[in-house]
Amino acid sequence: QVQLVESGGGVVQPGRSLRLSCAASGFTFSNYAMHWVRQAPGKGLEWVAVISYDGSNKYYADSVKGRFTISRDNSKNTLFMQMNSLRVEDTAVYYCAKGGAAVAGTLGYWGQGTLVTVSS
Amino acid sequence: QSALTQPASVSGSPGQSITISCTGTSSDVGSYNLVSWYQHHPGKAPKLMIYEGSKRPSGVSNRFSGSKSGNMASLTISGLQAEDEADYYCCSYARSSTWVFGGGTKLTVL
Repeated sequence: QVQLVESGGGVVQPGRSLRLSCAASGFTFSNYAMHWVRQAPGKGLEWVAVISYDGSNKYYADSVKGRFTISRDNSKNTLFMQMNSLRVEDTAVYYCAKGGAAVAGTLGYWGQGTLVTVSS
Repeated sequence: QSALTQPASVSGSPGQSITISCTGTSSDVGSYNLVSWYQHHPGKAPKLMIYEGSKRPSGVSNRFSGSKSGNMASLTISGLQAEDEADYYCCSYARSSTWVFGGGTKLTVL
């Protein structure tokens, strides 16, 4: 069965950096696009970024463009999110999600999330 | 990248049916047949309930159905059960290869 396990969350000061990871299993990771989605405390879900199956295409929400970088290591079945210049408003639970064969495919399976808290 | 519009809350009694609306624009819901719906119990992973507007993944109860007309999509839950109480989010593919979620709807089973 599909399993997605996020890690790397924690408390960080504004302006600092953090790197999230998502370990995938139960499917052929290199065949699927992958997403990051976040949920701020008391708020709804917000799509953050997607990366194509081979890492050649990456797309971001305007709120993180230029600060966050999505990447993947298909040899290790792992998705990453490098988060730089963090802001208080980036505080959220970050979920990774399995997409479709294309970037336009449905977000079919989600992990349990990892909490990022940006605070001084 | 404006969020899709959903009602903040809906409620119904066991056995009844409810419908949650999701209003977008011609840049997202209206342009693509790629609307999905997610059930989210706090502290758990969101679960896909409907994809491509009206398709149900394997294992999802046929009490859940979806539809789309123009810039609006809808999720209907029939025969409400206590375990249906959760937050529900719509999501649509949008231009420039991005995705957008609705603000979420809290379903209360009375």
